[in-house]
Amino acid sequence: AQSVTQPDIHITVSEGASLELRCNYSYGATPYLFWYVQSPGQGLQLLLKYFSGDTLVQGIKGFEAEFKRSQSSFNLRKPSVHWSDAAEYFCAVVPISGGGGNKLTFGTGTQLKVEL
Amino acid sequence: GAVVSQHPSWVICKSGTSVKIECRSLDFQATTMFWYRQFPKQSLMLMATSNEGSKATYEQGVEKDKFLINHASLTLSTLTVTSAHPEDSSFYICSARGGANYNEQFFGPGTRLTVL
Repeated sequence: AQSVTQPDIHITVSEGASLELRCNYSYGATPYLFWYVQSPGQGLQLLLKYFSGDTLVQGIKGFEAEFKRSQSSFNLRKPSVHWSDAAEYFCAVVPISGGGGNKLTFGTGTQLKVEL
Repeated sequence: GAVVSQHPSWVICKSGTSVKIECRSLDFQATTMFWYRQFPKQSLMLMATSNEGSKATYEQGVEKDKFLINHASLTLSTLTVTSAHPEDSSFYICSARGGANYNEQFFGPGTRLTVL
């Protein structure tokens, strides 16, 4: 079945430490890939997206993500986390083909806590 | 660019009343708008997809008579929760898609509905 998985429900890192949030997808063809961030009580902000081309994608707020076809992964990374990065992070996909109507499917999210 | 607004940002209503939530694309024409529901500490669940000028397509398990969606113009979609009950309390988020950014959705800030 088609799905997008975020294996880590919660992650805690110290401020200044590096961060990697995992995202795996299961689709016949590589879908369009997105990472969103949501602060409490807020809507979603797009961090970055991958449609094609260079597999290392740069986003806003110092985030980047690497698409690895062989691993069906699109992990989000940041070299040095700031306390303001504490939030919920969602990986999402849009299938390229099929009758899905280009609908976004979200992972279950990863709650990031930053320790000062 | 690509700003989506929602109004109201929060609403409290009595059980049995109806509540209307507006979603507007401020600087682009949204051919498609989506409505999501998010329970605390959970991911976004797609409720319905609406295309301008046509009936909304509801996801399985979403009552179309309960959640009325109208997409009368390229910049406005509304979600009306009819005869609201406490179990309808949730965070409702809309997104919009259109123009050159067909594979990307832009999200509103969300509306917190509390039904007493």
